[in-house]
Amino acid sequence: AQKVTQAQTEISVVEKEDVTLDCVYETRDTTYYLFWYKQPPSGELVFLIRRNSFDEQNEISGRYSWNFQKSTSSFNFTITASQVVDSAVYFCALDSGAGSYQLTFGKGTKLSVIP
Amino acid sequence: DTGVSQDPRHKITKRGQNVTFRCDPISEHNRLYWYRQTLGQGPEFLTYFQNEAQLEKSRLLSDRFSAERPKGSFSTLEIQRTEQGDSAMYLCASSPGTGVLLAFFGQGTRLTVV
Repeated sequence: AQKVTQAQTEISVVEKEDVTLDCVYETRDTTYYLFWYKQPPSGELVFLIRRNSFDEQNEISGRYSWNFQKSTSSFNFTITASQVVDSAVYFCALDSGAGSYQLTFGKGTKLSVIP
Repeated sequence: DTGVSQDPRHKITKRGQNVTFRCDPISEHNRLYWYRQTLGQGPEFLTYFQNEAQLEKSRLLSDRFSAERPKGSFSTLEIQRTEQGDSAMYLCASSPGTGVLLAFFGQGTRLTVV
């Protein structure tokens, strides 16, 4: 069975601080995909990144960076110099890679960036 | 707007009534997915279509739920004899299909059963 754990339920930071959102996953599959989505108050899930299990390179996109560590089954997400517009619920998700795109989501981390 | 479109955005219904939601995927996306999200939880997979064929259904999809995708375009999700436990956000997503595992989500339909 697949499982995604986001232990941080809520995080509050002051604007311009860096913040890391944790994600730990469980799967028996050797091929899988990991995702991060952002859900602002409007409700739409906004795709941020997809990473396959064979690519352990860290990735940076502007103020966003992701650290994938297979040895610890973690896929953490860091926002550098946070902004008020970053306030949202962030979800980590796992796909088995079997092609069905049946995502297993964590419970999400609510990030509040205070001006 | 070329994104995934869902209608209605909000629906309040009385317990026992039937409701139907619609999802229009991104044009030419042949995969369409339905997820359910309850308060404080992540989305949970319900079902998905490859064109007009419904290929997978979650055990969460009780026999009161039915989904269709006639002609492989828009999809409808119907809930019969609604219960208070059906109150949730129903999210639709579409993706281009095999080889490209990337789904785009709509803004969801929030259902409240009173």
